[in-house]
Amino acid sequence: QSALTQPASVSGSPGQSITISCTGSSSDVGAYNYVSWYQQHPGKAPKVMIYEVSNRPSGVSNRFSGSKSGNTASLTISGLQAEDEADYYCTSFTTRNTLIFGGGTKVTVL
Amino acid sequence: QLQLQESGPGLVKPSETLSLTCTISGDSISSNNHDWGWIRQPPGKGLEWIGSFYYGGRTYYNLSLKSRVTISADTSKIQFSLKLSSVTAADTAVYYCARLSRGGIDYWGQGTLVTVSS
Repeated sequence: QSALTQPASVSGSPGQSITISCTGSSSDVGAYNYVSWYQQHPGKAPKVMIYEVSNRPSGVSNRFSGSKSGNTASLTISGLQAEDEADYYCTSFTTRNTLIFGGGTKVTVL
Repeated sequence: QLQLQESGPGLVKPSETLSLTCTISGDSISSNNHDWGWIRQPPGKGLEWIGSFYYGGRTYYNLSLKSRVTISADTSKIQFSLKLSSVTAADTAVYYCARLSRGGIDYWGQGTLVTVSS
């Protein structure tokens, strides 16, 4: 199974909003509302930021939001802050009962 | 608070079998509300799902690794393991154990680096 498609990098200035896309197929992203997003700082384990397309776990800033249209999911970070600089990965549950990751997006705060 | 901890050799020789254990505190694999699994990340690269299981149910594997992987639960119900056979340098990675929930991963272990080298 091929990885979900994410842009390799996205950048923005402090205070701006950025959006990261995650494109799959009708067998994964488009099949269920089981898309999650993870933030990973260097040397650290990933941390879930969004689950079930648009839900935020307790403790995650409301500057992070998720959405989905068809086979593409998106993560938006509003009011970009220096601490948001990290790698971001999407995942989707698939019709084969497997989990598939995106290739990852490096977010740079200019 | 749920915690997951990976343990096992940090160095494995090529063609041998990589074996890791995940120890759970704060939950049990028989709680039947979650799947449990393994993810890996080669140095400088992205995340790759290896496989996961539901206690008392089926185990699912990444098709690209299926012929070499076994994930199993310990009877203690607070541990589960990963075995990856016939390893090569391409299997060098940080290996994470995780709890799955709502189609994603809600808890991760801290990860353990396994290097394949003679």
